[in-house]
Amino acid sequence: QSVLTQPPSTSGTPGQRVTISCSGISSNIGSNYVYWYQQLPGTAPKLLIARNHERPSGVPDRFSGSKSGTSASLAINGLRFEDEADYFCAAWDDSLNGFVVFGGGTRLTVL
Amino acid sequence: QAQLVQSGSEVKSPGSSVKVSCKASGGSFNNYGINWVRRAPGQGLEWMGGIIPAFRTPNYAQKFQGSLTITADESTTTVYMELSGLTFEDTAVYYCARAGGYFGWLPEYWGQGTLITVSP
Repeated sequence: QSVLTQPPSTSGTPGQRVTISCSGISSNIGSNYVYWYQQLPGTAPKLLIARNHERPSGVPDRFSGSKSGTSASLAINGLRFEDEADYFCAAWDDSLNGFVVFGGGTRLTVL
Repeated sequence: QAQLVQSGSEVKSPGSSVKVSCKASGGSFNNYGINWVRRAPGQGLEWMGGIIPAFRTPNYAQKFQGSLTITADESTTTVYMELSGLTFEDTAVYYCARAGGYFGWLPEYWGQGTLITVSP
């Protein structure tokens, strides 16, 4: 069972907007940045969003992140077939000695 | 731009140990957290632990306390992950991943992954 909660799956058609939620608690999302990763089949995860909403160079502006309280969201506008992948949120958790926590991942299917 | 290159796939027997290397280049080696994250078949990403070489002391997820050893060699800018007492459930792709900010932990750069298969 993952510490951060994501829906296991979502879907959309090309051109649509989809959002993926990520829910945590005060010791992780509530007090630290949220990161988002995209993992295509057979490849390493790729950073999509850093520090709640920052897009690294090369990430299309169709991808955006937001955070409010102990929850965060990833939005994908203008959905494309190549966006079909697994998406994970992550944050630092201040409990104990501190550790990285991931969401369980959301499988996005583009219909 | 940081780059991480990992050692190759391995097949191990139950009860044995495995050691995976991760050579880092680009940027200062000592000041960024390097994490080990795995993904087992049908599962999500799981943080195992990490190290900030400048601080030398690794940070392990509770689940892996006692079975995981992470070390850093500054002379070769390489981080190692050794997992002992392997079971079938340890079959996974193991990634090293470096933070983007000084003394931070959240990964921004990822290695290519190393497949570890535990098989009788």
